[in-house]
Amino acid sequence: SQKIEQNSEALNIQEGKTATLTCNYTNYSPAYLQWYRQDPGRGPVFLLLIRENEKEKRKERLKVTFDTTLKQSLFHITASQPADSATYLCALDYGGATNKLIFGTGTLLAVQP
Amino acid sequence: DAGVTQSPTHLIKTRGQQVTLRCSPKSGHDTVSWYQQALGQGPQFIFQYYEEEERQRGNFPDRFSGHQFPNYSSELNVNALLLGDSALYLCASSVGPHEEKLFFGSGTQLSVL
Repeated sequence: SQKIEQNSEALNIQEGKTATLTCNYTNYSPAYLQWYRQDPGRGPVFLLLIRENEKEKRKERLKVTFDTTLKQSLFHITASQPADSATYLCALDYGGATNKLIFGTGTLLAVQP
Repeated sequence: DAGVTQSPTHLIKTRGQQVTLRCSPKSGHDTVSWYQQALGQGPQFIFQYYEEEERQRGNFPDRFSGHQFPNYSSELNVNALLLGDSALYLCASSVGPHEEKLFFGSGTQLSVL
């Protein structure tokens, strides 16, 4: 079955630095990959989507890369702020009959002021 | 514009009992998916409802069932509760079963004692 791995350890960085989160998957490549943010006690919030034929996507301070050869996506937050502290989830969609997503376990990001 | 709303926010049940969770999708959305998120894990797909039918099901036993109403709202029912059913249950809505971006509610925290 498909396995998705994200940094299991929490990531602690200083305000103003760039945070880089990793998502690795096994087996076959997804049609597209998404990144979500989740705050404690809340549902995930969509951030970015990147398709299998795209290398990079940007949105304001966020950047996602997708390497289907390495089976890896990197998620970058530049000029990080304490308000960026949250759990970030990687999710894969393989197309098909529905928009079913397979989520990773998430990486907890803590930005220190 | 109301987002995805779920009720109740918290619920405590005992083993063997049955529970019903409710979800109203975001305005304009007609498709509802349910996910289970155990502590420290990513959300796991339970099933999706579109046009009042279950369109796809994840790896969950028949104790988990659902329903979608003509107004697109949905219910998740879990019978014969087990301790392992304790989790955050998330509802996500979309425009159609293939829409890539999901909107999640804040979830129902179910505790089974």
